Amino acid sequence: DAGVTQSPTHLIKTRGQQVTLRCSPKSGHDTVSWYQQALGQGPQFIFQYYEEEERQRGNFPDRFSGHQFPNYSSELNVNALLLGDSALYLCASSLGRGAWRNTIYFGEGSWLTVV
Amino acid sequence: AQTVTQSQPEMSVQEAETVTLSCTYDTSESDYYLFWYKQPPSRQMILVIRQEAYKQQNATENRFSVNFQKAAKSFSLKISDSQLGDAAMYFCAYRSDSMYSGGGADGLTFGKGTHLIIQP
Repeated sequence: DAGVTQSPTHLIKTRGQQVTLRCSPKSGHDTVSWYQQALGQGPQFIFQYYEEEERQRGNFPDRFSGHQFPNYSSELNVNALLLGDSALYLCASSLGRGAWRNTIYFGEGSWLTVV
Repeated sequence: AQTVTQSQPEMSVQEAETVTLSCTYDTSESDYYLFWYKQPPSRQMILVIRQEAYKQQNATENRFSVNFQKAAKSFSLKISDSQLGDAAMYFCAYRSDSMYSGGGADGLTFGKGTHLIIQP
């Protein structure tokens, strides 16, 4: 049973460019959330996708957008990259919204470096 | 908005001994959940233990237990019989379950973490 998988593992982008990160949720999970973890900090919630719609959003600008596909996989897009966007981006999956009893599983993340 | 504070950037403990990691939080809500996550060098977040705010009984999972003080908004993690494999970053996290926030959306609010070192 595959857990949450993310790609790519590492990538380097230039300031002003755009990046797309991908996530496949754990088998059977239908809800995907994205988090940004800067070096030395705790993860910060970006947004959550359920039934192919953004359901909840953290305090992130519109440069951060996402998408969820019918197979529940998800993409995180960041436009007009800034140096401050350099971070580990974590994807988390769960079954259903608000179903706290179902464990939230995290992937190993995608390291983004903006130069 | 909720905030989570972990005041210990780093803790060190001898193998087989007990260590307690501190966490305080600030919220105006009455219904919420609290979690401790472990992040080893692989960077994958692993759930250690969780606590429902409406439960007075402290959660326990094998060597891991919590001391939940709702009035004080405190949620500490105790690790007994520390093992080398316990070495990691530990994050305290909060999740709302208020009906006004959509019935328990999954957005977690994390603290800055505590780096736990196990001395052999």
